[in-house]
Amino acid sequence: GENVEQHPSTLSVQEGDSAVIKCTYSDSASNYFPWYKQELGKRPQLIIDIRSNVGEKKDQRIAVTLNKTAKHFSLHITETQPEDSAVYFCAASITGSQGNLIFGKGTKLSVKP
Amino acid sequence: NAGVTQTPKFRVLKTGQSMTLLCAQDMNHEYMYWYRQDPGMGLRLIHYSVGEGTTAKGEVPDGYNVSRLKKQNFLLGLESAAPSQTSVYFCASSKQGSGANVLTFGAGSRLTVL
Repeated sequence: GENVEQHPSTLSVQEGDSAVIKCTYSDSASNYFPWYKQELGKRPQLIIDIRSNVGEKKDQRIAVTLNKTAKHFSLHITETQPEDSAVYFCAASITGSQGNLIFGKGTKLSVKP
Repeated sequence: NAGVTQTPKFRVLKTGQSMTLLCAQDMNHEYMYWYRQDPGMGLRLIHYSVGEGTTAKGEVPDGYNVSRLKKQNFLLGLESAAPSQTSVYFCASSKQGSGANVLTFGAGSRLTVL
């Protein structure tokens, strides 16, 4: 089955710096890669996703890149702000009714003012 | 529109006791899921349902049972709780399979087994 590895487990940056979180997956059939953000004590919420027919996707200060050959994808946050502090989870899945998301173990991002 | 609602939010059990977590969604979603979240382990799928009357095992199903008698409700049961089941449990739903659809999560239920 699918296995998703996520690095680093913790990341501390200064406000205004960029942050990068990387994930690798094992199943070459996976073709859907979402990122969820979980603020302290809150529920996870989708912030961005990418499908395998796209190499990069941007939404304001966040972007996700996908390298299918290497089976890895990354989350990039630019101009970080204190409200970006949270745990971020990557996930991978095969699309279709039977595809279930497999999550990475999470990255705790701390943005210092 | 409440989204996904979980009850109870907190519960303390003794080893061997049983309990049921209730998840309710008002978005008419077909798919519903139960995850557990443990420190450093991410979100692991316990069981899921692709529609009313159906259930299936996820990554870590042992020690849990589920039922989906009504489309809007997904129940997670622990028949004989163990300390290893101390965790935060999240219910989620999606319009179609999570393989390409946004998961809407509940607020979580923190369970402690003594």
